[in-house]
Amino acid sequence: AQKVTQAQTEISVVEKEDVTLDCVYETRDTTYYLFWYKQPPSGELVFLIRRNSFDEQNEISGRYSWNFQKSTSSFNFTITASQVVDSAVYFCALSEAPDYGGSQGNLIFGKGTKLSVKP
Amino acid sequence: DSGVTQTPKHLITATGQRVTLRCSPRSGDLSVYWYQQSLDQGLQFLIQYYNGEERAKGNILERFSAQQFPDLHSELNLSSLELGDSALYFCASSVESGFYNEQFFGPGTRLTVL
Repeated sequence: AQKVTQAQTEISVVEKEDVTLDCVYETRDTTYYLFWYKQPPSGELVFLIRRNSFDEQNEISGRYSWNFQKSTSSFNFTITASQVVDSAVYFCALSEAPDYGGSQGNLIFGKGTKLSVKP
Repeated sequence: DSGVTQTPKHLITATGQRVTLRCSPRSGDLSVYWYQQSLDQGLQFLIQYYNGEERAKGNILERFSAQQFPDLHSELNLSSLELGDSALYFCASSVESGFYNEQFFGPGTRLTVL
């Protein structure tokens, strides 16, 4: 069965430290998408990135970078030089192709990692 | 701002009551998803509509129902409410219904059942 595991429940860092949030997924499918969402204290869910299962290139967007490794079924998220505004709960999510038991597009979320960045 | 709107922002009601949550998707998006976020279960998919038709069902209770109207807004109806239904309910929308689409979430409706 499909599953997303974010083993780190809470992480606390000091501003300017680098931090990596881990995400491990399980799927029988060869065609799937992975996502990261951010939930700041205000509560809304903000889309950060989408990655398909055929694209293992790492991606960098400003201070954010993502490392996708199919061999270890991981899709880790690194924040470089963290800032107080990065404090939030971060969710990793999986979406599978319908042919493999997935739905039309519902997201399977991990439990989230709460990141606290202290000044 | 994702462009997805949800009303009301907060809802407080009593057990046994019925409530309706409303969602307007981003302009041009045809697909609407409902999710429930609770401390116990985390973020769970409830149901999806695409252009007025139900496309997928998740862990949605029989006491809950939803629909999508011709103008594409959606409503989630929760009836015979129980204390355990207290949660944050999110609506999300995407352009199409495919599993490859990123979903954009509304601000959520926080439901408190007393």
